[in-house]
Amino acid sequence: DTAVSQTPKYLVTQMGNDKSIKCEQNLGHDTMYWYKQDSKKFLKIMFSYNNKELIINETVPNRFSPKSPDKAHLNLHINSLELGDSAVYFCASLAAGGDEQYFGPGTRLTVT
Amino acid sequence: QKEVEQDPGPLSVPEGAIVSLNCTYSNSAFQYFMWYRQYSRKGPELLMYTYSSGNKEDGRFTAQVDKSSKYISLFIRDSQPSDSATYLCAMSARAGGSYIPTFGRGTSLIVHP
Repeated sequence: DTAVSQTPKYLVTQMGNDKSIKCEQNLGHDTMYWYKQDSKKFLKIMFSYNNKELIINETVPNRFSPKSPDKAHLNLHINSLELGDSAVYFCASLAAGGDEQYFGPGTRLTVT
Repeated sequence: QKEVEQDPGPLSVPEGAIVSLNCTYSNSAFQYFMWYRQYSRKGPELLMYTYSSGNKEDGRFTAQVDKSSKYISLFIRDSQPSDSATYLCAMSARAGGSYIPTFGRGTSLIVHP
């Protein structure tokens, strides 16, 4: 039974398009995150949501917008995609007071 | 200087070797230290977690933290081909209840039979 799931697994799209990536966790965790991992394997935090409130935004361009319809979901919407957005995007979740993040399998985004 | 430095490798060792993976950091506020393992085309998974200086052992894995030197290590004994993966160190300093980990860039480990 998958703890943190992401869809789609692969996404190939052209510059200028708008796309969304979905994330769901069935762990009952309070906090969810979006990370970007570039080709050099750097894992950089983008957003964190706690009880449907954004608590971190690490200087991410406003073309990226997280949307959380409920505690179990944190979707990532990207407007006007650019070549530099090509990366693997990981969703993660964290229990209240916990330190272990559970990561999803990743979404490999390729912008052409 | 990045907050967390980690040699990307690759590190190639024969099966059965002892592997040493290391990270240095500059932020003295870091209190929590983690090692994640990431297989190719998979998400990172937590391997080891430590809070204070010293050693923590779990099977073939030992995590070591030296806060005075701002240096952490992960040792893998009797390495196996299945240990081949990227190992990411991560550390954090809780700020007002928020958990904001900073990751190293990962070290690619290859264990060949």
